[in-house]
Amino acid sequence: KNQVEQSPQSLIILEGKNCTLQCNYTVSPFSNLRWYKQDTGRGPVSLTIMTFSENTKSNGRYTATLDADTKQSSLHITASQLSDSASYICVVRQGGSQGNLIFGKGTKLSVKP
Amino acid sequence: NAGVTQTPKFQVLKTGQSMTLQCAQDMNHNSMYWYRQDPGMGLRLIYYSASEGTTDKGEVPNGYNVSRLNKREFSLRLESAAPSQTSVYFCASSPSRTGGTMTQYFGPGTRLLVL
Repeated sequence: KNQVEQSPQSLIILEGKNCTLQCNYTVSPFSNLRWYKQDTGRGPVSLTIMTFSENTKSNGRYTATLDADTKQSSLHITASQLSDSASYICVVRQGGSQGNLIFGKGTKLSVKP
Repeated sequence: NAGVTQTPKFQVLKTGQSMTLQCAQDMNHNSMYWYRQDPGMGLRLIYYSASEGTTDKGEVPNGYNVSRLNKREFSLRLESAAPSQTSVYFCASSPSRTGGTMTQYFGPGTRLLVL
């Protein structure tokens, strides 16, 4: 079954600290993996997209890694800010003509002052 | 450039009532999508329109209908609302349905409560 599992479900950190969110997937065939940020009451916004051949990709203080062999990805947030408080959603696109997106349930991050 | 807009932002319905959720995009995208987001679950695709004039079922289409009115607009209709349809509904668009790394752009969502 095609699944995307994220951990932890929720996380609380202090402003200025770093954190890492995890994503494991069993989607086959694999096309690419995306991380989205969803602020409370808003729609998701894309942070990064990585294909099979990409191991790491950065977007400012956000760095995503991908290990296609172990089917794992992580999103590392450096020097967290209050505005980083949001849900972070891992999404895997299947390969093939349909290219369905399989969404994880998200990790809810709270950054406290 | 507003991106993807949705109306209404919030709606309360009684069981059995009908309503249409509206979505429009101004990015000249070919493909549009309707998702629902429920607590503790990932986003689930209801219907999509790969291009103007076409619509296809997603993962959870039962109880919904869609219309791709033109390239800009894609509406979602609930003919007879049920409490199980209480959810947050997101419309999204992308340049095309396929194309690997293409990003989907999401609207702000419609919060629907069915009593």
